[in-house]
Amino acid sequence: KAGVTQTPRYLIKTRGQQVTLSCSPISGHRSVSWYQQTPGQGLQFLFEYFSETQRNKGNFPGRFSGRQFSNSRSEMNVSTLELGDSALYLCASKKTADHYEQYFGPGTRLTVT
Amino acid sequence: AQRVTQPEKLLSVFKGAPVELKCNYSYSGSPELFWYVQYSRQRLQLLLRHISRESIKGFTADLNKGETSFHLKKPFAQEEDSAMYYCALSNFGNEKLTFGTGTRLTIIP
Repeated sequence: KAGVTQTPRYLIKTRGQQVTLSCSPISGHRSVSWYQQTPGQGLQFLFEYFSETQRNKGNFPGRFSGRQFSNSRSEMNVSTLELGDSALYLCASKKTADHYEQYFGPGTRLTVT
Repeated sequence: AQRVTQPEKLLSVFKGAPVELKCNYSYSGSPELFWYVQYSRQRLQLLLRHISRESIKGFTADLNKGETSFHLKKPFAQEEDSAMYYCALSNFGNEKLTFGTGTRLTIIP
């Protein structure tokens, strides 16, 4: 069974631009969560989607948004990029909203210059 | 607010020696605790959860609600245990994971 895939794997953007990251969950998984990983803050929860609905949201500004499609694929968007948005963005999927085990993707490394 | 603290950023242990990675949490409610591991050039993956009370790859972790701790232990370290270890918690019914900052474990041959 293929694992969680994330595209692109690496991205360089300039301050003020916007970016869209994509995540394809494991087949049959309907819940997708996003995390931001930085050296200073560690792994921080961004949001979770289940059946195209945002189920949970972390403490991030409104510049961070996401969505989920009917095939469970998810995208996250960051608008008006700031230098501090440079991070590894991880996506994780699980079978259902209340299932405990999350399967992580390899991440997208975003660098903002 | 829920918080997970891993006091050691780095931990080096000789092969064959016991390992203990510390994790403390603060949470008002009934948390579910996990240990996740990331080996070199691999993805973050679940190692164990407190409810299952299993031993995975020789590792065990006991939830101590009095001390709000969930330390990870292994009696005899092996070289393949070298990795980044993250303690995490969520609450039942709301599975948002809160992670600690992680401990990099290095096993010295």
